[in-house]
Amino acid sequence: AQSVTQPDIHITVSEGASLELRCNYSYGATPYLFWYVQSPGQGLQLLLKYFSGDTLVQGIKGFEAEFKRSQSSFNLRKPSVHWSDAAEYFCAVVPSQTGANNLFFGTGTRLTVIP
Amino acid sequence: NAGVMQNPRHLVRRRGQEARLRCSPMKGHSHVYWYRQLPEEGLKFMVYLQKENIIDESGMPKERFSAEFPKEGPSILRIQQVVRGDSAAYFCASVKTSGYTDTQYFGPGTRLTVL
Repeated sequence: AQSVTQPDIHITVSEGASLELRCNYSYGATPYLFWYVQSPGQGLQLLLKYFSGDTLVQGIKGFEAEFKRSQSSFNLRKPSVHWSDAAEYFCAVVPSQTGANNLFFGTGTRLTVIP
Repeated sequence: NAGVMQNPRHLVRRRGQEARLRCSPMKGHSHVYWYRQLPEEGLKFMVYLQKENIIDESGMPKERFSAEFPKEGPSILRIQQVVRGDSAAYFCASVKTSGYTDTQYFGPGTRLTVL
């Protein structure tokens, strides 16, 4: 079945530590890939997106993500986490073969940052 | 430039009542997506509208739910005879065109509670 998997429900990191949030997808062809962040009580904000080309994508707020076709993964990384990064992070895809542009979301990873 | 606006932000209804959720897209955007986020889950696509047209309603429950996006005014998601299972956060996202490369900008959501 087609799906987006975020295996980590909750991650806790210390401020200043590095961060990696995992995302795997299962679609026949490489979909278009996105990472969104949701702060409590807020809507979603786009961090970065990948359509094609360079597999390392730079986003806002110091985030980056790497597309690995062989692993069907699109993991989000940040070298040094700030307390303001505490939020819920969602990986999402648009399947490239359907013609539709609605997003399919993973279940999210909640990030807690401790001082 | 105002972002996507949704109102009300919080809505409480008793079982059997109707809920009307409004979404005003960003200026210049003529396409709107509605998503539903159940507790502890990711967002799930419901419906995609262009002004005066429903483009894709494949994610919409067959009964009690309807959506419209008139030529003038906001997009409306209407839920008739609400049940407890309708309690969720409902997000709309607006996009300028139908192209997959266009970023979907999300509103802050309407949190519906059914008593």
